[in-house]
Amino acid sequence: QVQLQESGPGLVTPSETLSLTCSVSVDSMRSYRWSWIRRPPGKGLEWIGYISFSGSRNYNPSLKSRVTMSLDTSKSQFYLTMMSVTSADTAVYFCAGGDGSGSWTDYWGQGVLVTVSS
Amino acid sequence: DIQMTQSPSSLSAVVGERVTLTCRASQDIANNLDWFQQKPGKAPKLLIFAAYRLNSGVPSRFSGSGSGKDYTLTISSLQPEDFATYFCQQYYDFPWTFGQGARVEIK
Repeated sequence: QVQLQESGPGLVTPSETLSLTCSVSVDSMRSYRWSWIRRPPGKGLEWIGYISFSGSRNYNPSLKSRVTMSLDTSKSQFYLTMMSVTSADTAVYFCAGGDGSGSWTDYWGQGVLVTVSS
Repeated sequence: DIQMTQSPSSLSAVVGERVTLTCRASQDIANNLDWFQQKPGKAPKLLIFAAYRLNSGVPSRFSGSGSGKDYTLTISSLQPEDFATYFCQQYYDFPWTFGQGARVEIK
């Protein structure tokens, strides 16, 4: 059973950088695509992007200029960095993963609320 | 981007009732569709992948169907634990996109 848990600051100042960590409990991070997804208040889910063990990345074009994802298999963690945040980036952020044998987002964390405010 | 439209956005139903939720894509997504269940404060749970394949451990009262642009999640006999929000996701093309969700409430 794969388990994921998001962590990071709950409050970020506008124009600053948002950084989140997803800690994964899994036998091996290989063969998985590890995604970040968010839900702004009152809105639907938005896929931010994914990173795979091989290092390949695919970002949502709407966020690509501000987003970076990375992976540390030694710590069983992957990361999201989003630059120049505004209030529009206030959301519950989820991390998710899948190996494609079912879905590419079989497993999700519970989510962490990040508020962008001064 | 492929737009995913769910209907209805919410419904009220009683235990034992048959419930059908629909997800329509803005283009053919060739069965590249998943259905999830989410309860407040909990992680989303994968119910159906590839349009109709039941995920391991998911009760058989859940089923998925459809093709092309139109897909359906059916709960054959609604149980108390099924009151939740359901959403679809397409992975046919990037960026992956989601339906806005459908809330199933107790009548």
